[in-house]
Amino acid sequence: GENVEQHPSTLSVQEGDSAVIKCTYSDSASNYFPWYKQELGKRPQLIIDIRSNVGEKKDQRIAVTLNKTAKHFSLHITETQPEDSAVYFCAALVGGKLIFGQGTELSVKP
Amino acid sequence: NAGVTQTPKFQVLKTGQSMTLQCAQDMNHNSMYWYRQDPGMGLRLIYYSASEGTTDKGEVPNGYNVSRLNKREFSLRLESAAPSQTSVYFCATGTRTSGLGGETQYFGPGTRLLVL
Repeated sequence: GENVEQHPSTLSVQEGDSAVIKCTYSDSASNYFPWYKQELGKRPQLIIDIRSNVGEKKDQRIAVTLNKTAKHFSLHITETQPEDSAVYFCAALVGGKLIFGQGTELSVKP
Repeated sequence: NAGVTQTPKFQVLKTGQSMTLQCAQDMNHNSMYWYRQDPGMGLRLIYYSASEGTTDKGEVPNGYNVSRLNKREFSLRLESAAPSQTSVYFCATGTRTSGLGGETQYFGPGTRLLVL
C-alpha cells in the first residue's frame, strides 16, 4: 500500500546550525506534501506545505524541497533555535487521505 | 472560536469495556478524521468522513466504529477495548485549499487512552 518513509528518527543540532529531514513516498500520484510540528504534549500543527507544481517553497527559516522524479521531499530549517525542538512529521496526500511519516525528534542544544 | 475540541482528555479502561471519544469542530469543515499516535509510528488514520453522512476506513480500522452525527461532530467508539488500543487519539478536520488541491488539517488536543 501507500507508504511514507521519514529519516532520521532523531536529530540533534547545535543552536544556529541547520537541520534537514527527508521523506520518500511510494505513490507517484501524490501531489500535496505538508509538514507538521508537534511540541511535547501538544497537537500537530501545519508549518509548511508544497504542491507538485513547484520544486521549493520558503517561509522565513523553513523551506521544503520536492523531487517528484525521485519521489522524495525534504524540510530544511536554518539558524535553528531551542524553540524549534519538537517532533516533525511529513505527509503525502494519497487518494484524498494524508499518509504520515514516522516522525523526527529534533533537539536543538543551546 | 474553539476550533477542534475533543473529550475526554484522559481515560483509563479495563479490557473489554466500551467507550466513545467525542470530537466537535466549529470551523465549518467538511472533512473529519480520527488518528491514533503511537511512539515511533507517526499518525495512523483510523476512519475518516469526507462529508456529512459518509464514513470510510483508514489504515487501522479494526476494533473501532465511527459516527458522523452532523457536520460538526464525529465520534469514535471502542466496543470492546484491548490493551493494543492504548494510544493517543487525535481528531482532525480538513479544508480543501485552492489550486491543485491539498488539504490543511487542523488537529484537536488529543485523548490519552490507557487500556489495562
